[in-house]
Amino acid sequence: SAVISQKPSRDICQRGTSLTIQCQVDSQVTMMFWYRQQPGQSLTLIATANQGSEATYESGFVIDKFPISRPNLTFSTLTVSNMSPEDSSIYLCSVEGGHEQYFGPGTRLTVT
Amino acid sequence: KNQVEQSPQSLIILEGKNCTLQCNYTVSPFSNLRWYKQDTGRGPVSLTIMTFSENTKSNGRYTATLDADTKQSSLHITASQLSDSASYICVVSAGTPLVFGKGTRLSVIA
Repeated sequence: SAVISQKPSRDICQRGTSLTIQCQVDSQVTMMFWYRQQPGQSLTLIATANQGSEATYESGFVIDKFPISRPNLTFSTLTVSNMSPEDSSIYLCSVEGGHEQYFGPGTRLTVT
Repeated sequence: KNQVEQSPQSLIILEGKNCTLQCNYTVSPFSNLRWYKQDTGRGPVSLTIMTFSENTKSNGRYTATLDADTKQSSLHITASQLSDSASYICVVSAGTPLVFGKGTRLSVIA
């Protein structure tokens, strides 16, 4: 299994600012995934982050808006840039282990 | 288009009662189907994973079924407890990315 922690757990931010979310895993993993969970909606994959290479973004998500860093095999950050109220959501970090998918506790972001 | 539909959207039951949550999917190719429990303010936690050849799988009071022909799955919760109050999410794997349902919000009341 994998234990994932995220910081911050929640934040309230003003529009136009940026927030960086940190994700720490207790074991080395090849791929780390970032998801968004908007109110009443299903989880949506933002991007996949591999150590040593640029993240791969899903349709509708761009690097300028959601830059990702992956400096080593246990850590990643997701930045939500130039925020608007539409970015209010829960952001989740996730890793794979065997056939399992493990999720962090999420970061609840509110943009005012 | 790959989709996962869950019903009902929400459900309220009395403690000790049983309930069944439904999941229909149109995902191809199919690799496996997963049920997750997500408590408020926490990330999803895996309950069961079923491959194409598995019809049923249990995890304590949770029993999941899969009919790959009709592309339907159900999650049955027996003798519900207050701690079962959570969102239950059906997820189908066709490789990457996973396809998530919107979840069923279950409230168990005393």
